[in-house]
Amino acid sequence: GAGVSQTPSNKVTEKGKYVELRCDPISGHTALYWYRQSLGQGPEFLIYFQGTGAADDSGLPNDRFFAVRPEGSVSTLKIQRTERGDSAVYLCASSLGTGGLNTIYFGEGSWLTVV
Amino acid sequence: AQKITQTQPGMFVQEKEAVTLDCTYDTSDPSYGLFWYKQPSSGEMIFLIYQGSYDQQNATEGRYSLNFQKARKSANLVISASQLGDSAMYFCAMQIIQGAQKLVFGQGTRLTINP
Repeated sequence: GAGVSQTPSNKVTEKGKYVELRCDPISGHTALYWYRQSLGQGPEFLIYFQGTGAADDSGLPNDRFFAVRPEGSVSTLKIQRTERGDSAVYLCASSLGTGGLNTIYFGEGSWLTVV
Repeated sequence: AQKITQTQPGMFVQEKEAVTLDCTYDTSDPSYGLFWYKQPSSGEMIFLIYQGSYDQQNATEGRYSLNFQKARKSANLVISASQLGDSAMYFCAMQIIQGAQKLVFGQGTRLTINP
């Protein structure tokens, strides 16, 4: 597609449940990022993929959070045993991933609410 | 570590006036970029403009320009001839060229354009 696509756009889940959020990056973009944005805050980095591998996962808050990108395109962010504090907008982004500055393009986000 | 500071939580401007949104940054890396994104109430992060640390001239993109003052570590966004559709959150972000190239965001400024 033309832009970064994220599904679902909205997800309401009960505390303790498992959630998957999907991201389809811009075609040809090798770099993929996940960010989390809480209300009234700027986005915070979670994880970065270059191709299939997670090159930097330093932003994942704990081991309940995990992400994969098995074929170097679509990525899935997985959250186990969800907590109310996980409620946020989860933003996916992609870039060409080449040397030098790379503009990072964002999707519209997946709004997660844990009740 | 990198840090972005946006000191204006909210700005109110009359339509057709120019507006400057402030951004200061801190990094010890010599190679970096400063980016501005717009986030309307729909939630999507829209890329506006960027400036590389080695660029000699200030970046411009239509009604947007970036007032980059390297010695002061500031990268203010200037919007000329503001329009009602410019009302949104605006985020300044920094990207280090080496490594993951992840963006570090400021807290944002909410811009409201009054008719």
